[in-house]
Amino acid sequence: DSGVTQTPKHLITATGQRVTLRCSPRSGDLSVYWYQQSLDQGLQFLIQYYNGEERAKGNILERFSAQQFPDLHSELNLSSLELGDSALYFCASSPPAGRGGYTFGSGTRLTVV
Amino acid sequence: DQQVKQNSPSLSVQEGRISILNCDYTNSMFDYFLWYKKYPAEGPTFLISISSIKDKNEDGRFTVFLNKSAKHLSLHIVPSQPGDSAVYFCAAERMNRDDKIIFGKGTRLHILP
Repeated sequence: DSGVTQTPKHLITATGQRVTLRCSPRSGDLSVYWYQQSLDQGLQFLIQYYNGEERAKGNILERFSAQQFPDLHSELNLSSLELGDSALYFCASSPPAGRGGYTFGSGTRLTVV
Repeated sequence: DQQVKQNSPSLSVQEGRISILNCDYTNSMFDYFLWYKKYPAEGPTFLISISSIKDKNEDGRFTVFLNKSAKHLSLHIVPSQPGDSAVYFCAAERMNRDDKIIFGKGTRLHILP
């Protein structure tokens, strides 16, 4: 158990629908990062939140949005889903300072049918 | 624009031999480099890192080498073991600690019996 909790583990939904992915960071970590892993695409950075505020944006589609709540958990909302949105979505967290990389959750596998 | 490149999608190595995974980067502002390991159905886990002020970092069977002039780093695993079969992601970040980590596409390592 990495300490980063992602729910649900698996999600199957139809095109056009909307889903919410949830992430609870490791205790004490203020930053939350969302990454998408599609086939052959590695880990694509989507968005970062730090202590409730958006800090950085990557290749996140306009149909996608995220937020970080006062208790530091984060949600990634995906709407108007398309087949190409099928992927693994990872959440990671990091402490306020210092190096050492991120701690990742086990991911949510989204399948759009 | 791929700032971190892993040009070998897969690599097969005999058990007991040395595994060498390569990574190139384009952004000279990167000053910290990391390797992550990922098993199926799990999130990536931090393996080893190296600061740009060093050219080598060793941790047990794992050694990372950094050649700044060539913008190249490599991960050596000696001796390779069956449990090393996984996807390995090379990653890099810039001096601003709040900046996101950029990942390569990964190399799938197969350790052959």
